Amino acid sequence: QKEVEQDPGPLSVPEGAIVSLNCTYSNSAFQYFMWYRQYSRKGPELLMYTYSSGNKEDGRFTAQVDKSSKYISLFIRDSQPSDSATYLCAMVHGTSYDKVIFGPGTSLSVIP
Amino acid sequence: NAGVMQNPRHLVRRRGQEARLRCSPMKGHSHVYWYRQLPEEGLKFMVYLQKENIIDESGMPKERFSAEFPKEGPSILRIQQVVRGDSAAYFCASSPPTGRNTIYFGEGSWLTVV
Repeated sequence: QKEVEQDPGPLSVPEGAIVSLNCTYSNSAFQYFMWYRQYSRKGPELLMYTYSSGNKEDGRFTAQVDKSSKYISLFIRDSQPSDSATYLCAMVHGTSYDKVIFGPGTSLSVIP
Repeated sequence: NAGVMQNPRHLVRRRGQEARLRCSPMKGHSHVYWYRQLPEEGLKFMVYLQKENIIDESGMPKERFSAEFPKEGPSILRIQQVVRGDSAAYFCASSPPTGRNTIYFGEGSWLTVV
């Protein structure tokens, strides 16, 4: 079993739709959770960062963490064509020195 | 631009040659990470460095790959005797001394082995 699994996609939605992107993880030691957006041929861009169970909102984006279920989600409201990208969840154990582990990514297309 | 700087952006090497990828972290950042991304795959951790110190190299192939982050200058990812399977995007990321749980990426270096 991989440490971090993510809905494979690709996901195609109409403009204005609410998008739900999900990841599950197997190691309860993960304490910090991030979402990155990656456009084609570009570096990943940090979107959201959270460390506690519950919801965190930033504009049209909401990150949700459920540590008891080892499940995290990213919701995008009023999706735009410019949101078309690959979304990567990422997580860290939280020790002083530790690597960031990424999910395989979900490709999203928002159709005008 | 105070972001993570990687160069070269594109590199073509023949099988058996050496590839050197460079990364300058964001200003004030003291930790550097290297990740590899193969086509249609996610980011695979390779190595985590602090200046003059390798923190975690558990993702580095045992042979031909090495990384350093000297006291002065950029971090270098070195691939000796490249093979076609080394063709990939190599991303560098950096983080500050505190807040190490969030890392910021450069634009990547695309290596093509012919």
